[in-house]
Amino acid sequence: DTGVSQDPRHKITKRGQNVTFRCDPISEHNRLYWYRQTLGQGPEFLTYFQNEAQLEKSRLLSDRFSAERPKGSFSTLEIQRTEQGDSAMYLCASSLGVMGDTQYFGPGTRLTVL
Amino acid sequence: DAKTTQPPSMDCAEGRAANLPCNHSTISGNEYVYWYRQIHSQGPQYIIHGLKNNETNEMASLIITEDRKSSTLILPHATLRDTAVYYCIVRTDRGNQGGKLIFGQGTELSVKP
Repeated sequence: DTGVSQDPRHKITKRGQNVTFRCDPISEHNRLYWYRQTLGQGPEFLTYFQNEAQLEKSRLLSDRFSAERPKGSFSTLEIQRTEQGDSAMYLCASSLGVMGDTQYFGPGTRLTVL
Repeated sequence: DAKTTQPPSMDCAEGRAANLPCNHSTISGNEYVYWYRQIHSQGPQYIIHGLKNNETNEMASLIITEDRKSSTLILPHATLRDTAVYYCIVRTDRGNQGGKLIFGQGTELSVKP
């Protein structure tokens, strides 16, 4: 069990550019979650997958955001036409997908939009 | 919105027990209480969770009141490395609702020498 990994750990981009983040969950975990955390706030839910199906999306996930989990393993989160307000820590978590299970978080990707 | 209320900050002396309270007066019968902590610039770390009974693991103990409207996380012998923001979360998990975590502001615990 190597834990949840995220890549890159840090990303600096200019406003208007597209960025893509990757999350590798714990193997055999069916559920994968994305959260966003801005400075001084707790993490906020963005979306989650049950295997390859995206089952819930937050209102925070604007049209510029898209997430995929094509084979039910790793996931990508893409932000198009980044804005300064997108600057945040993007966190990924995974869990087995049963009642009362535990979500384990990755180290996060810190995005800075200049 | 988060379904829990926690004090914004607490201090604890190193080596003493840290008791972190959480109110969740609107908790439903099938909702679990989870505790996570987050050290600056790291991802949240799972600590413990419970439904009705008190729970203990190598990190902490969770005491849930009989009416389930509040709980206390106990770190038995706090160390400086326990300084972090602690989040108490009530989690709903009903089939396809998926059990997302709704974080509040948490309690910033400072362990002092």
